[in-house]
Amino acid sequence: AQKVTQAQTEISVVEKEDVTLDCVYETRDTTYYLFWYKQPPSGELVFLIRRNSFDEQNEISGRYSWNFQKSTSSFNFTITASQVVDSAVYFCALSSSYKLIFGSGTRLLVRP
Amino acid sequence: DSGVTQTPKHLITATGQRVTLRCSPRSGDLSVYWYQQSLDQGLQFLIHYYNGEERAKGNILERFSAQQFPDLHSELNLSSLELGDSALYFCASSVAWGLGVNTEAFFGQGTRLTVV
Repeated sequence: AQKVTQAQTEISVVEKEDVTLDCVYETRDTTYYLFWYKQPPSGELVFLIRRNSFDEQNEISGRYSWNFQKSTSSFNFTITASQVVDSAVYFCALSSSYKLIFGSGTRLLVRP
Repeated sequence: DSGVTQTPKHLITATGQRVTLRCSPRSGDLSVYWYQQSLDQGLQFLIHYYNGEERAKGNILERFSAQQFPDLHSELNLSSLELGDSALYFCASSVAWGLGVNTEAFFGQGTRLTVV
């Protein structure tokens, strides 16, 4: 069975701090895809990144970076110099076909 | 803006009633997915349609059904509503049958259903 675990339920940081959101996944599939979505207070789910299981290169996009390690089945997300607008719930998700398996989410609060 | 449109944004209805949620996918996307987000269950996959045909079912109750029409918009019908059906219902779309190398799912803003 596939599973995604986001052990951090809630994280609170002060603006400009760096923060890392953890994601651990379980799957027996050799080909799979990992995703991060952001859910701001307004409620929509915003796609952030997709990573393929055969590509372990880390990725950086502005203040966001992602660290994918197959050896530990982890796909962690780091926000550098956090801002108040980063406050949201962040979901990690796994798919090997059509269905997204979501973690329970990490609520990030960035205080001014 | 993801390009996926869901209506209505909010819906309040009484137990036992029936409602229809509507979703217009992004232009060119053939797949539509429905998800339910509730406090106790989190984000759960309900059903997947591709080019008008049902492709997969997840944790969808028998009281719920869905369709995808020839113009590719989709409707999720919820009947005999119970208090526990109160949730945020998301529609997502993608260009291909599944999620893959160059395919991700884009979500609409959701319909918040409150059953009273």
